[in-house]
Amino acid sequence: GQQLNQSPQSMFIQEGEDVSMNCTSSSIFNTWLWYKQEPGEGPVLLIALYKAGELTSNGRLTAQFGITRKDSFLNISASIPSDVGIYFCAGQTSGSRLTFGEGTQLTVNP
Amino acid sequence: NAGVMQNPRHLVRRRGQEARLRCSPMKGHSHVYWYRQLPEEGLKFMVYLQKENIIDESGMPKERFSAEFPKEGPSILRIQQVVRGDSAAYFCASSPLVDSSPPDGYTFGSGTRLTVV
Repeated sequence: GQQLNQSPQSMFIQEGEDVSMNCTSSSIFNTWLWYKQEPGEGPVLLIALYKAGELTSNGRLTAQFGITRKDSFLNISASIPSDVGIYFCAGQTSGSRLTFGEGTQLTVNP
Repeated sequence: NAGVMQNPRHLVRRRGQEARLRCSPMKGHSHVYWYRQLPEEGLKFMVYLQKENIIDESGMPKERFSAEFPKEGPSILRIQQVVRGDSAAYFCASSPLVDSSPPDGYTFGSGTRLTVV
């Protein structure tokens, strides 16, 4: 089946630093999504990308849909303590099922 | 406007018992998806249902697991004769349309944490 390789697995940064994480796949996806999950909660959608090469921002978050349609990255600028959580990429081809990456655990030290 | 409601939030079962997890989709949503998350892993697709129909169950284990979404009432994920390996967080999501676009309509609930002792 389809698999997403997400890296890094974890990051420990200081408040104010920028963060970058990415996902790669051996398969093509038509849509790339980035979610954030906090303890005890379900994933919450941060950014959705629909076209190869698309660059989309949501506040301090920026994400890009790779030209090959096999990768995506998420950047968080000027991190703050409430950015702490697990970030997941997810890809969608046809139908509605999503394939998730294994997540990046982000820790922000004040 | 309530979101996707899952209950119970936490469920403890002894090995061999049955677990029933419930999911009420958002108002106006007629498509439900179930995902399983093992500790420190991403979510894995299990099943996609519409009212009274299973559309895609390719992620469901062949035995002991079943799902339904009746005409009236919540969607139910049923796990029979639970084993320790079934311990996980089970998330439900709903959307109003097939191939919902934008996927903002694909909303997750807070999950049910199943612990098998």
